[in-house]
Amino acid sequence: ETGVTQSPTHLIKTRGQQVTLRCSSQSGHNTVSWYQQALGQGPQFIFQYYREEENGRGNFPPRFSGLQFPNYSSELNVNALELDDSALYLCASSPGLAGVAYNEQFFGPGTRLTVL
Amino acid sequence: AQSVAQPEDQVKVAEGNPLTVKCTYSVSGNPYLFWYVQYPNRGLQFLLKYITGDNLVKGSYGFEAEFNKSQTSFHLKKPSALVSDSALYFCAVRDMRNGGFKTIFGAGTRLFVKA
Repeated sequence: ETGVTQSPTHLIKTRGQQVTLRCSSQSGHNTVSWYQQALGQGPQFIFQYYREEENGRGNFPPRFSGLQFPNYSSELNVNALELDDSALYLCASSPGLAGVAYNEQFFGPGTRLTVL
Repeated sequence: AQSVAQPEDQVKVAEGNPLTVKCTYSVSGNPYLFWYVQYPNRGLQFLLKYITGDNLVKGSYGFEAEFNKSQTSFHLKKPSALVSDSALYFCAVRDMRNGGFKTIFGAGTRLFVKA
């Protein structure tokens, strides 16, 4: 069973640029969530996708957007990067239907984004 | 508002001693509670969860947690700490509004286990 993978591992961008982060869900998982973890803080929910549709969003501006593909892999896109976007971005997948609240999530190792 | 509090930034224990990492929550309705652990440069790993039933939940690596509804707490415990337990621990609650898709994490507690 393959776990959740994310790419790239590290990324350095400058303010105003755009970035795409990628995630492959664990086999059999059709729900994926993205989180932002700033240094010294807990993960903050960005959004969740189920069967290629966004079905929940946290308090992040529209320049944070995503996609989920038929194979349940996912992308997180951030436009007009700001310095405060520097963080570890975590992808998490879970089995079953979106909104099945008792499913634990399986996290990838994250992508460390640095915005200069 | 749904929230989770981890009152201690860090916990230090000696190897072999029992450990407790504290968590309190505030939710409307029944809480779905989770503990995750994060090792350096790694993603979060699931330890255990409380959904319903027995208030004492057993999880991975010998960890357990006690759900206390009256005190709105869900403290993580282990009878005998190992040096390898040193890591960052997160308590989380599932926000049941709007379909329950959102997980709210605490700020984390760093556990140091000294040999």
